[in-house]
Amino acid sequence: QVQLQESGPGLVKPSQTLSLTCTVSGGSINSASYYWTWIRQPAGKALEWIGRINNSGTTFYNPSLRSRVSFSIDTSKNQFSLRLTSVTAADTAMYYCARENNYLVTLDNWGQGTLITVSS
Amino acid sequence: DIQMTQSPSSVSASVGDRVTITCQASQDIKQKLNWYQQQPGKAPKLLIYDVVKVGAGVPARFSGSGSGTDFSLAISGLQPEDFATYYCQQYDNLPLTFGPGTRLEIK
Repeated sequence: QVQLQESGPGLVKPSQTLSLTCTVSGGSINSASYYWTWIRQPAGKALEWIGRINNSGTTFYNPSLRSRVSFSIDTSKNQFSLRLTSVTAADTAMYYCARENNYLVTLDNWGQGTLITVSS
Repeated sequence: DIQMTQSPSSVSASVGDRVTITCQASQDIKQKLNWYQQQPGKAPKLLIYDVVKVGAGVPARFSGSGSGTDFSLAISGLQPEDFATYYCQQYDNLPLTFGPGTRLEIK
């Protein structure tokens, strides 16, 4: 059973850079069958897809965040990461990592989420 | 981006009732629609994919239908664990986009 677990700082100051890591267990991240995605959800609001990365490092970012976000993948550690620069209060949200089945295009496995608060 | 809307934004129902939630896309998404259920304080869970296909371990009381721009999720014989928020999501175009959610509450 594949499990995903986000890790991050919890609190980030405005204008700083947010870094999150998702650790995958119970299966290999180095699979061509999946994309590895980041999704966020401000409290009480809808889900926003941030983007995806595959095992080769090919990325697609949501245009709304493209200028500030970057992803990386470390297949040796079975981890993938998100970096979001110049954060503001609007970036306060629960951040989820998820596995996207690239054939069915379903988000079929999610981490539990990590709450990120942007505040001084 | 493809915009997704849902109605109602919230609905109250009783255990045993049947409920239908609708989802509309801003353009034809060619059957490329999934539904997710989110329990309070938890990550979303895949319910329905490809409009009508039920996800692994999902009870048969959940069903999906629709085509083009208009879709619906039906839940028959509501159970206590079904009271949650439901999101539709299109995958016809990137970025993937979600509807604003429908909150199903106990009456």
